[in-house]
Amino acid sequence: EVQLVESGGGLVQPGSSLKLSCVASGFTFSSYNMHWIRQAPKKGLEWIALIYYDSSNKYYADSVKGRFTISRDNSKNTLYLEMNSLRSEDTAMYYCARITTTDYWGQGVMVTVSS
Amino acid sequence: DIVMTQGALPNPVPSGESASITCQSSKSLLHSNGKTYLNWYLQRPGQSPQLLIYWMSTRASGVSDRFSGSGSGTDFTLKISSVEAEDVGVYYCQQFLEYPRTFGSGTKLEIK
Repeated sequence: EVQLVESGGGLVQPGSSLKLSCVASGFTFSSYNMHWIRQAPKKGLEWIALIYYDSSNKYYADSVKGRFTISRDNSKNTLYLEMNSLRSEDTAMYYCARITTTDYWGQGVMVTVSS
Repeated sequence: DIVMTQGALPNPVPSGESASITCQSSKSLLHSNGKTYLNWYLQRPGQSPQLLIYWMSTRASGVSDRFSGSGSGTDFTLKISSVEAEDVGVYYCQQFLEYPRTFGSGTKLEIK
């Protein structure tokens, strides 16, 4: 069974940093591109980043470019999202996802940026 | 960036009736390989999203044949025939032709 389990969220102050993790199981993690997608409270979905299966390419939404870094460790079946200079508008549920012609999503991890 | 614009539904939709959700892209999503790079998702209340349709009109595995996708390069429709209670939620279109992979703002479906 494919599983994606996010962790690392919490309440942080504006300007601080946080690193999310997503542990994958049930499939060959190193063969798939992986996404981070977020959803602010009561709002829609926002795609924020993708990393190729071999880390050769990374893409970001303009809203996070220069502040967030996506990475992966295929030996640990783990996807990461390092978030710096956090703002109140980064408050959201963060999902990791594998999306091809099938999709698998984690349950999401909440990040709250507030003083 | 490609902007995705979704239409609203005249909620609530009577159970058993059909519902059509529209989505428009600011740029053609038709690739040179002949495929149209548009996904549809459903996010049920309290759940993570799930893929319904990819390449504009191909149903994802396990998705009911009551769901169908159609369209051109820039105008798309998700049709739900005979809506049921389990169809309640927010529907999103997403383009995956270019980065960033933009979503529409979502269309809420309520059932009467």
